[in-house]
Amino acid sequence: AQSVTQLGSHVSVSEGALVLLRCNYSSSVPPYLFWYVQYPNQGLQLLLKYTTGATLVKGINGFEAEFKKSETSFHLTKPSAHMSDAAEYFCAVSSSGNTGKLIFGQGTTLQVKP
Amino acid sequence: EAEVAQSPRYKITEKSQAVAFWCDPISGHATLYWYRQILGQGPELLVQFQDESVVDDSQLPKDRFSAERLKGVDSTLKIQPAELGDSAMYLCASSLPRDRGPYTQYFGPGTRLTVL
Repeated sequence: AQSVTQLGSHVSVSEGALVLLRCNYSSSVPPYLFWYVQYPNQGLQLLLKYTTGATLVKGINGFEAEFKKSETSFHLTKPSAHMSDAAEYFCAVSSSGNTGKLIFGQGTTLQVKP
Repeated sequence: EAEVAQSPRYKITEKSQAVAFWCDPISGHATLYWYRQILGQGPELLVQFQDESVVDDSQLPKDRFSAERLKGVDSTLKIQPAELGDSAMYLCASSLPRDRGPYTQYFGPGTRLTVL
């Protein structure tokens, strides 16, 4: 069975500081990994995804994530936080062997302080 | 830019009543998903359609929930009767069909259900 663990339900950073949101996954088959962002009372928007190939993935709004198979991790980073980055972030895993269903982590709320 | 449409955006109902949510996926997307997101948690898949066929409804509480996608385009999710524990955000997503690897799932704005 696949699962996702997001370490830290709340992360607070100052504007301009590095953002690091942690995600570890469990999968018996090669995983496909995703990061989504959700603003209050809205749906989820894809930030980036890893399927195959280059392990450092760049997404929208200056975010990037690195797939590390040995550590079963897919942490999300951004060099400099902006106030508009304050939102809920979800890591998700899917596998090539199933129907494309996403298994989500519990989410991490990012707070950006001025 | 094409979007997934959902209605209503908000629904308040009393327990034991029936409720229905509607989703219109992005044109051309054959795969449609319904997720439930309880406050403070990540979304969980309720049901997945490929065209008009259900391919995964293993987490759908079938005693009270039903979903249909009769013409393989828009979809309706129904709850009857609603229970207090059904209060959640109901998200619809769509994607192209899978050939190799997963296609991106595009999410609608969701329907926030409150059961009193």
